[in-house]
Amino acid sequence: SQTIHQWPATLVQPVGSPLSLECTVEGTSNPNLYWYRQAAGRGLQLLFYSVGIGQISSEVPQNLSASRPQDRQFILSSKKLLLSDSGFYLCAWRARSYNSPLHFGNGTRLTVT
Amino acid sequence: AQKVTQAQTEISVVEKEDVTLDCVYETRDTTYYLFWYKQPPSGELVFLIRRNSFDEQNEISGRYSWNFQKSTSSFNFTITASQVVDSAVYFCALSPIIQGAQKLVFGQGTRLTINP
Repeated sequence: SQTIHQWPATLVQPVGSPLSLECTVEGTSNPNLYWYRQAAGRGLQLLFYSVGIGQISSEVPQNLSASRPQDRQFILSSKKLLLSDSGFYLCAWRARSYNSPLHFGNGTRLTVT
Repeated sequence: AQKVTQAQTEISVVEKEDVTLDCVYETRDTTYYLFWYKQPPSGELVFLIRRNSFDEQNEISGRYSWNFQKSTSSFNFTITASQVVDSAVYFCALSPIIQGAQKLVFGQGTRLTINP
């Protein structure tokens, strides 16, 4: 069966520090991968998605970047965090079939102080 | 453009009551998928159901049921005989049926609280 791992679960970082959140998927190959952010208002905002190694699409301009160095690895990064980067970050994967739902990781709660 | 609206921000009911969560969507696509997800207090999003725009049959799964009406662009979710464990934020989502990344567009969510 497929599983998705996301870490760390919680993170407190000072403004201006770097960020690296990692997400890996097991039990599937060539998935579509996604990073979502959920701010205090509960809505889910798509940040990045990837359809293959090295292929990243950004949905919104921001202080963050994403990379996919391996087929089942998706990394969210920042060189210098801002207070506004605080939130709940969710990684998700989806098989390439049309009817496949998104499967989410447990999320990382990031607090920038 | 695609849009999902969950007009109910918060709902609070007493245990064993029935409750319906509304979802209205907008899309220019003729074919699409609709989803419901549950986000319990622990934070992870749990997939509940997927519905193809071709299929307007209602679906029932235990205490959960879904009413898809293409004519009104609605995909409502009903919990019968609610339980405290149903307390969560529920998201409705829409996805076009296209090749590529197939991005899901989510509503803002409805926070459901079931009181004992």
